[in-house]
Amino acid sequence: DIQLTQSPSLLSASVGDRVTITCRASQDISSYLVWYQQKPGKAPKLLIYVASTLRSGVPSRFSDSGSGTEFTLTISSLQPEDFATYYCQQLKSYPLTFGGGTKVEIK
Amino acid sequence: EVQLVESGGVVVQPGGSLRLSCVVSGFTFDDYGMHWVRQAPGKGLEWIGLISWDGDRTYYLDSVEGRFTITRDNSKNSLYLQMNSLRTEDTALYYCAKQDKDDERLVDHWGQGTQVTVSS
Repeated sequence: DIQLTQSPSLLSASVGDRVTITCRASQDISSYLVWYQQKPGKAPKLLIYVASTLRSGVPSRFSDSGSGTEFTLTISSLQPEDFATYYCQQLKSYPLTFGGGTKVEIK
Repeated sequence: EVQLVESGGVVVQPGGSLRLSCVVSGFTFDDYGMHWVRQAPGKGLEWIGLISWDGDRTYYLDSVEGRFTITRDNSKNSLYLQMNSLRTEDTALYYCAKQDKDDERLVDHWGQGTQVTVSS
């Protein structure tokens, strides 16, 4: 199975900060990585999918990069509604594993 | 509007069985593969499995294969998760989720989840 390791697990930041979350895969997954956002008590929401495609309606301050085994999610200017937990997921092979999550909290 | 509504979550003893259901609306159910994903209390997301649009193919997480079975009834717009030989570590909020229009591996809509607690 492909393991995904996210770092950091907790990130404290202020409104307006540039934030970067890393997701590392245990083997080459090409560009088959997606990102979700989850707020407390809510279901996850798809942000970015394969080949860095921003889902319709997701603000352009969200972007990702990477391929192979190392990927990053960047929020260019953190907004109050962005405080949440972020998960990466690989779609390269079954089982479709998630990273452990990164909680972005208010500093 | 796409809607997915899970039900069937209860408290069950270790070794017991349970069937979860997910009724959907707002899209043509038999055009899409469907997933189950769970989240233990205070923990991250864990993908459980996928069933293809026609039910012919299923894929599972290793730790549930042989214990859990995903099925669907396209005539009832319903997805099911049969869970047998339940363990305390199966305690979680269980989400059903719909595949993206172009890629059955990608989830684009989620239900709100149903809570399963395995405890004696």
